[in-house]
Formats: sequence, structure tokens, C-alpha cells
Amino acid sequence: GEDVEQSLFLSVREGDSSVINCTYTDSSSTYLYWYKQEPGAGLQLLTYIFSNMDMKQDQRLTVLLNKKDKHLSLRIADTQTGDSAIYFCAVPNYGGSQGNLIFGKGTKLSVKP
Amino acid sequence: NAGVTQTPKFRVLKTGQSMTLLCAQDMNHEYMYWYRQDPGMGLRLIHYSVGEGTTAKGEVPDGYNVSRLKKQNFLLGLESAAPSQTSVYFCASKVAGSAGEQFFGPGTRLTVL
Repeated sequence: GEDVEQSLFLSVREGDSSVINCTYTDSSSTYLYWYKQEPGAGLQLLTYIFSNMDMKQDQRLTVLLNKKDKHLSLRIADTQTGDSAIYFCAVPNYGGSQGNLIFGKGTKLSVKP
Repeated sequence: NAGVTQTPKFRVLKTGQSMTLLCAQDMNHEYMYWYRQDPGMGLRLIHYSVGEGTTAKGEVPDGYNVSRLKKQNFLLGLESAAPSQTSVYFCASKVAGSAGEQFFGPGTRLTVL
């Protein structure tokens, strides 16, 4: 089945860029997602990319997709303390027909002032 | 719109007790999901439903049952709780189809002693 891998922790200083990486195994994935979870809350969709794109930019967020290497990354420019959260990479499972997602274990981003 | 709501927010059970977690959504979504989140494990799908009256097993269904009698509600039942079911439970919903955002509830923190 699908497997999604992420590093568990990332620590950066305020104002620096953060890069969170994700690798996946299923090459048939259509949309790939990044979710954000703030402490004590549920997950919220942060951004997504369609598999026919290499890059998507949305304000401070840049998503890069390397389909050949099955590698997805999320770059946060000018990281702020409010960006401290857990970030999950998610890709469709079961061929995606039921909208099921497989989540990575999450990367906990800590932003130091 | 309230989005996705979950009740209760917290619960402590003794081993062998039963309980039902309620998820409600007011977005007229067809698909609904139950996940559990454990430290270092990310989110794992327990059961899901693609419409009223239908349910299906996810990655970790054992020890849980679900029902979707009304489109807006998705119930998760534990018939005989075990300490291994101590977790944070999240419900999510989305429109029908393979793509699209899953909207998450705030979670239920369950402790089984």
C-alpha cells in the first residue's frame, strides 16, 4: 500500500525559511496535500498541488513536486512564530476513489524568536 | 456554519466500558471519516463512509464500529474499550469524489484506564 514518509522535527529561527520534505510511494497520486495542525486542534488544509504541476506558490508558501523521485516539499518563507505547528503531507489511497488519504507522521515545526 | 463538530471533547473510560463518539457536519458532505492520532504514528483511518447508510473499513478498524444513519452524522462506537484505544480521535468530511479538501473536527481525547 501507499507509504508516506516525513521527518518528525524541524527547528528554525524566526525570519528564516523552513523546508519540510515528504516522500511517497504511489505514483498514481493525483492531488497531494499539506495539512497544518495547531496545538489542541484538528487539521486544516494548508495547500495542495496537482500531479501535473512542478511548483505552486501561494504567498509565503511554495510547494515543489518531483514526480520522478516521488518527493514533495513545502517551503515557508519568512517563518513566523505563528507557523509553529505540525505539518502533514497527505496523498490519496485506494486509487483515490473514496477520497481516502494516507498521512505522513507529521513534521513538528518549532520557530524560535 | 459550524463545520465539523465532535462530542464529547474529552472522555475517560475504564477497560471494558463502551461509548459512542458523535461527529456532525453541516456542509452536506457525502463522505465522512474517522481517524485516530497517536504520538509518532500520524493519522490512521479507522472507518469511513461514502454516503448515508454505507460504511467501510479503513486501516485500523478492529475494536470499533460505525454507523451513518443520517447524512450529517457519523458515529464511532467502542463496544469494550481497551487501553490501546487511548488516543485522539478526529472526524473529517468532504464532498464526493477523489479530490477535494477534508474538513476536520476539533478532536476527542479519549483515555482508557
